[in-house]
Amino acid sequence: DSGVTQTPKHLITATGQRVTLRCSPRSGDLSVYWYQQSLDQGLQFLIQYYNGEERAKGNILERFSAQQFPDLHSELNLSSLELGDSALYFCASSPMGTSGRSEQYFGPGTRLTVT
Amino acid sequence: AQKVTQAQTEISVVEKEDVTLDCVYETRDTTYYLFWYKQPPSGELVFLIRRNSFDEQNEISGRYSWNFQKSTSSFNFTITASQVVDSAVYFCALLFNAGNMLTFGGGTRLMVKP
Repeated sequence: DSGVTQTPKHLITATGQRVTLRCSPRSGDLSVYWYQQSLDQGLQFLIQYYNGEERAKGNILERFSAQQFPDLHSELNLSSLELGDSALYFCASSPMGTSGRSEQYFGPGTRLTVT
Repeated sequence: AQKVTQAQTEISVVEKEDVTLDCVYETRDTTYYLFWYKQPPSGELVFLIRRNSFDEQNEISGRYSWNFQKSTSSFNFTITASQVVDSAVYFCALLFNAGNMLTFGGGTRLMVKP
């Protein structure tokens, strides 16, 4: 158990809908990262927040957004969903803003299926 | 640009065989970090090891060992006396010093048969 929690574990929804994925980092970690794992794109970094502020952005679509709250939990919002958004979405956390000095620990993931 | 290549998409071995998973990386940075993660069938990503670019010492942890060679830009992972529980997808990843995002390779699916 990494200490990172994600809810829900599974989500099935229809095209055009909007969903929210939730992540709670390990105790004491200030950074939260979101990654997407899909069959065609592999594991890709989406976005990072550090202590409530956006720190880095990867291949995140404009239909997707995230935020980190004062209690450090984070939410990833996916809107106007398309079939291609079906994937496993991981959250990871680390203590610092620049994570080279420490590992990123991953949550169990949320499996999103868009039908 | 950073890139991680895991040329072996799938490896199948019989229990107790040794197996090496290859990882080759590209980066222009002189300071960077390399990682291995394991993704068992249950789906979670489990951290295995982190090495920085200044430490080329090989590392051994039980049946696992890692060989880091800067000269060939490789960070290979060997499992000795493989077990069925080692069956998983293994990912190699790279992170440069000032960066925050892990760049993952495509993964190697290891199947250990009894």
